[in-house]
Amino acid sequence: NAGVTQTPKFQVLKTGQSMTLQCAQDMNHEYMSWYRQDPGMGLRLIHYSVGAGITDQGEVPNGYNVSRSTTEDFPLRLLSAAPSQTSVYFCASSYSVGLAADNEQFFGPGTRLTVL
Amino acid sequence: KNQVEQSPQSLIILEGKNCTLQCNYTVSPFSNLRWYKQDTGRGPVSLTIMTFSENTKSNGRYTATLDADTKQSSLHITASQLSDSASYICVVSDVWGGGGADGLTFGKGTHLIIQP
Repeated sequence: NAGVTQTPKFQVLKTGQSMTLQCAQDMNHEYMSWYRQDPGMGLRLIHYSVGAGITDQGEVPNGYNVSRSTTEDFPLRLLSAAPSQTSVYFCASSYSVGLAADNEQFFGPGTRLTVL
Repeated sequence: KNQVEQSPQSLIILEGKNCTLQCNYTVSPFSNLRWYKQDTGRGPVSLTIMTFSENTKSNGRYTATLDADTKQSSLHITASQLSDSASYICVVSDVWGGGGADGLTFGKGTHLIIQP
């Protein structure tokens, strides 16, 4: 199993550009989520999905869109990049939502995004 | 608001020494507490997951303790190695609701540096 994969690893955008961060998992997990990690702050939830066709907003959703057409893929779209979106983005997945103790959450390697 | 506070923010110790990282939380209701290790440039990886009824849990040289009454947890690292240099993140899960939309509240992490 590859686990959770993310592409690209690094990306530089200009203000106003759009792009899609890709995330895929091969563990047949129902629950997938996107976080951003900024210096001096904990991971913050952007969007999450409890299954194909179902998505919902997290703590910091503004400026981001998601969709979940398959169980495996959960792309994150930046509609019009802003410098405030400079961050490291992590995708995560787990068997189900609710994160009981026997439900481990796996993280991808991250995408480091810089918006100029 | 649910909160997870970690201390110290950063720590430098010599290789071979022991250290203890602290996590205090105000998450309610409580489901479980997780410690993650995050190497530089990588995604977090789970070390331990503890439920309300567990006081101590070990994973090799890592031992986590939980006092659900005082809402405190610690991660003890024994005989530190250079590969232990990383950020250690405490995450508390509530029983769906509160905290983040996925029920998780993340600490900001402790940055640990092991010097030879």
